[in-house]
Amino acid sequence: DAGVTQSPTHLIKTRGQHVTLRCSPISGHKSVSWYQQVLGQGPQFIFQYYEKEERGRGNFPDRFSARQFPNYSSELNVNALLLGDSALYLCASGPGGQETQYFGPGTRLLVL
Amino acid sequence: EDQVTQSPEALRLQEGESSSLNCSYTVSGLRGLFWYRQDPGKGPEFLFTLYSAGEEKEKERLKATLTKKESFLHITAPKPEDSATYLCAVQAGGSYIPTFGRGTSLIVHP
Repeated sequence: DAGVTQSPTHLIKTRGQHVTLRCSPISGHKSVSWYQQVLGQGPQFIFQYYEKEERGRGNFPDRFSARQFPNYSSELNVNALLLGDSALYLCASGPGGQETQYFGPGTRLLVL
Repeated sequence: EDQVTQSPEALRLQEGESSSLNCSYTVSGLRGLFWYRQDPGKGPEFLFTLYSAGEEKEKERLKATLTKKESFLHITAPKPEDSATYLCAVQAGGSYIPTFGRGTSLIVHP
């Protein structure tokens, strides 16, 4: 079975630009979560969606937004990029949101 | 506020030298404690979920244990391919959001 997939794998943007990251969950999983991980730290929670509804939001500015589609795939959007947004963005899926989450390979974002 | 502290931050072992990684936590009503392995530049790989004090789980050279305040990841006779960062996360009762520690970076020398 395919695991969680994310695209693109790498991305370079300049300050002020907008970025969209995409995630496809494991087949049958209805929950998708987004995390930001900077070097040397654990993943920091951004959003969780379950059945297309937002079920949790971390301490991130309104420049960050997300949505989940009817096929349970998800997008993370970041507007007005800052240098500090450079990080590995991770997507994780789970059967129902309250159970073990399985991570994708991540998207490496570099903001110049 | 849920807190997760992992120690040590970094650990260097010789191949075959067994050791343990620690994850201490403060959470209101533990729902689950998770261990992940992460290789550089990649997403975390799920290892174990523990739900209640006294529970133990094993996978190859790894064994995870849980008490009411901490979890240990025991590595028996490690090999160089066990080198990675090991992440611990906790999920409180009624929450959908796990809180991660900063991880322990393990290097196993041949």
